[in-house]
Amino acid sequence: DAKTTQPPSMDCAEGRAANLPCNHSTISGNEYVYWYRQIHSQGPQYIIHGLKNNETNEMASLIITEDRKSSTLILPHATLRDTAVYYCIVSAYNTNAGKSTFGDGTTLTVKP
Amino acid sequence: DAMVIQNPRYQVTQFGKPVTLSCSQTLNHNVMYWYQQKSSQAPKLLFHYYDKDFNNEADTPDNFQSRRPNTSFCFLDIRSPGLGDAAMYLCATSRDGSRETQYFGPGTRLLVL
Repeated sequence: DAKTTQPPSMDCAEGRAANLPCNHSTISGNEYVYWYRQIHSQGPQYIIHGLKNNETNEMASLIITEDRKSSTLILPHATLRDTAVYYCIVSAYNTNAGKSTFGDGTTLTVKP
Repeated sequence: DAMVIQNPRYQVTQFGKPVTLSCSQTLNHNVMYWYQQKSSQAPKLLFHYYDKDFNNEADTPDNFQSRRPNTSFCFLDIRSPGLGDAAMYLCATSRDGSRETQYFGPGTRLLVL
């Protein structure tokens, strides 16, 4: 699985958009980009994933560059409850079973 | 609601005393994972089951074993816990391969005295 690079920490003002970048320059053609977040002392929670098109759901938007070497997770209106560690993962398909390697993640702090 | 359940949420054991952590799922997913997460670190995959097929990560110590008696349950056995095994242990499931979303339980925090 490709390695990801994320900034260790970011701050965001409550109500503003939070843009979390991720570099995955060695991504392969069959690898998806997944985003999870982990609120303190809880299990990680799935946010969104994509292959090459931009994706949006009720939680966030995912923007993947055309060369697929980087992506940005966008939380459009951050709230204090969005304070968490955000993990960007690239994961290849395996017909037997799969695995996702978590990188170091970005600690997002949303401030009032 | 369908979910991943881990019991207990907190487990205290003694140095060298075997301990078992449990995970159950109501999602009927094929794949179950066990991760270890130490303080301020990312989750680290220990092993996973695809149905009954066990897949161990290359760097998982032999001290860690797992059992999956049926689709719903998976156990993590630590044969001789050391102080360095104190961590949060996370169970996750996915319907199929790694293109699938993983659903995590709340974790069991293990303390070794």
